[in-house]
Amino acid sequence: AQSVTQLGSHVSVSEGALVLLRCNYSSSVPPYLFWYVQYPNQGLQLLLKYTSAATLVKGINGFEAEFKKSETSFHLTKPSAHMSDAAEYFCAVRASSASKIIFGSGTRLSIRP
Amino acid sequence: GAGVSQSPSNKVTEKGKDVELRCDPISGHTALYWYRQSLGQGLEFLIYFQGNSAPDKSGLPSDRFSAERTGGSVSTLTIQRTQQEDSAVYLCASSSGQGMDYGYTFGSGTRLTVV
Repeated sequence: AQSVTQLGSHVSVSEGALVLLRCNYSSSVPPYLFWYVQYPNQGLQLLLKYTSAATLVKGINGFEAEFKKSETSFHLTKPSAHMSDAAEYFCAVRASSASKIIFGSGTRLSIRP
Repeated sequence: GAGVSQSPSNKVTEKGKDVELRCDPISGHTALYWYRQSLGQGLEFLIYFQGNSAPDKSGLPSDRFSAERTGGSVSTLTIQRTQQEDSAVYLCASSSGQGMDYGYTFGSGTRLTVV
């Protein structure tokens, strides 16, 4: 079975500061990992995905995430936060043999001026 | 179509009534998924379609929930005898299910409010 744990339901950073959203996964088989973003009153948009190629994955809007097998982590980072980054972020996992993606409970990112 | 389309975008219904939620996936996408997002919660998997078949319906909360897909395209999620705990945003997603396309494309959701 697969599962995802997002540490911190709410993260607040200043504009221009580093963004770090934490995600740990559990999977008995090699996982595929995703980060999705949800802006208010919108559906989810794929930020980036790890599918067993490079461990450092670059996504849209300057975000990136690093797959660390030894730590079972897939943390999302962005060097400099922008006001437009305020949204809900979901980490998700899918086993290579599975048909569905399992989502974490989400982290709401707020940006302080 | 260009994206996943869901209708209605908002639905208010009285407790005990039946509702139908519709999803139009991206043309050619064989896989279709329904999720539920309750206030302050993550996404809860409901059901997965591959073509017109549902090999995984393990997330349907009760027998009041059912879904079908016809022509390998449009899907309808039906909730019978709605309860207040059914209030949530219902999200549909589709995927080509082939090759390296392991991600989903989501619709904007249907916000269901049971009063």
